[in-house]
Amino acid sequence: GDSVTQMEGPVTLSEEAFLTINCTYTATGYPSLFWYVQYPGEGLQLLLKATKADDKGSNKGFEATYRKETTSFHLEKGSVQVSDSAVYFCALSRQGGSEKLVFGKGTKLTVNP
Amino acid sequence: DAGVIQSPRHEVTEMGQEVTLRCKPISGHNSLFWYRQTMMRGLELLIYFNNNVPIDDSGMPEDRFSAKMPNASFSTLKIQPSEPRDSAVYFCASSPASYGYTFGSGTRLTVV
Repeated sequence: GDSVTQMEGPVTLSEEAFLTINCTYTATGYPSLFWYVQYPGEGLQLLLKATKADDKGSNKGFEATYRKETTSFHLEKGSVQVSDSAVYFCALSRQGGSEKLVFGKGTKLTVNP
Repeated sequence: DAGVIQSPRHEVTEMGQEVTLRCKPISGHNSLFWYRQTMMRGLELLIYFNNNVPIDDSGMPEDRFSAKMPNASFSTLKIQPSEPRDSAVYFCASSPASYGYTFGSGTRLTVV
């Protein structure tokens, strides 16, 4: 079945450091790919998405590119801030999100001043 | 837009009691999802509805769990009887026909 694998956390960085969180997926066909962010005590929020190969999703300085050849959707940010501290989830959906989302286990990011 | 509204935010109950979690999706969203989040298992899809009809309930752990969506603006997830291993954060999410989930803030359930 469909699955998402993301790097184990936790990840601890200093402010202004470069961030990469790896995500790979297994799915038949052409899924849509997502990154969600969860701040403490809150629900998940959509951070960015990509619906086809070579699409780049971006939001709030975060980027991820849909790489079909490597079945990957790695999350990157050039300069993290303390406010980026959260848990990040990679996810896929067969039908662009109206069908069920399959999530990775999440990666906790802590950014220190 | 008030977003997806879940109630209660926190629930503490004794083992064996019935627990009902509630969700009001965003108006116009035709899909509704119930997820459970624990440290050990991460996010697990329990059940989802499309146009108020259950489409996939394969994630419902046992017969103790049941979910209903009597109309487009309301859904419940019931656990009867509850057990300590049911302790988790339960999220409801809704989605329109195109992409994009919106999650509620969750219900933190503790069964003692």
